[in-house]
Amino acid sequence: NAGVTQTPKFQVLKTGQSMTLQCAQDMNHNSMYWYRQDPGMGLRLIYYSASEGTTDKGEVPNGYNVSRLNKREFSLRLESAAPSQTSVYFCASSESTGELFFGEGSRLTVL
Amino acid sequence: GENVEQHPSTLSVQEGDSAVIKCTYSDSASNYFPWYKQELGKGPQLIIDIRSNVGEKKDQRIAVTLNKTAKHFSLHITETQPEDSAVYFCAATDSWGKLQFGAGTQVVVTP
Repeated sequence: NAGVTQTPKFQVLKTGQSMTLQCAQDMNHNSMYWYRQDPGMGLRLIYYSASEGTTDKGEVPNGYNVSRLNKREFSLRLESAAPSQTSVYFCASSESTGELFFGEGSRLTVL
Repeated sequence: GENVEQHPSTLSVQEGDSAVIKCTYSDSASNYFPWYKQELGKGPQLIIDIRSNVGEKKDQRIAVTLNKTAKHFSLHITETQPEDSAVYFCAATDSWGKLQFGAGTQVVVTP
């Protein structure tokens, strides 16, 4: 039972490049989330999906897009990466507003 | 919106002593208060949570207390061990049921 799996674990981009972070969960959860973690700022919600076919903005959505591909998969896309998007990104899933199950994170550096 | 403040940002304790982390929140509608532990290179993991109809909850060496009137809640770790060294995050639900996280506390347990 893998839980929440994120790929890639590490990525270096140049300013203006695009990339997609992939996330998959095998717990049959309805809700999925993307957070970013920056020093001294905790975890901030970028986007979430309450169920298959729906997505909503979180606290810091600018510069990102998401796709809930199916119940298992929720991807995060950076269309034109900026240095301010250097961060550690976490995908999570949950049943309704219960416990969040996090992946191990994707460390992104934008030069 | 919800604002969660967490103190201290770092906490160094001797093995066997107790550790206390405090959080305050602003939204009186918040009704769910989880604590997450993040070990180095891993995603956060739920260690204990409390709902607004309960004042205190205990699980072995960890306990959480909630004061809804004062809008603060605390994590208590007794008889600390080296494996308790990690970053701890408090969180509270906002008006839409989404979690707002504190900035985190780095706990270091020294032998």
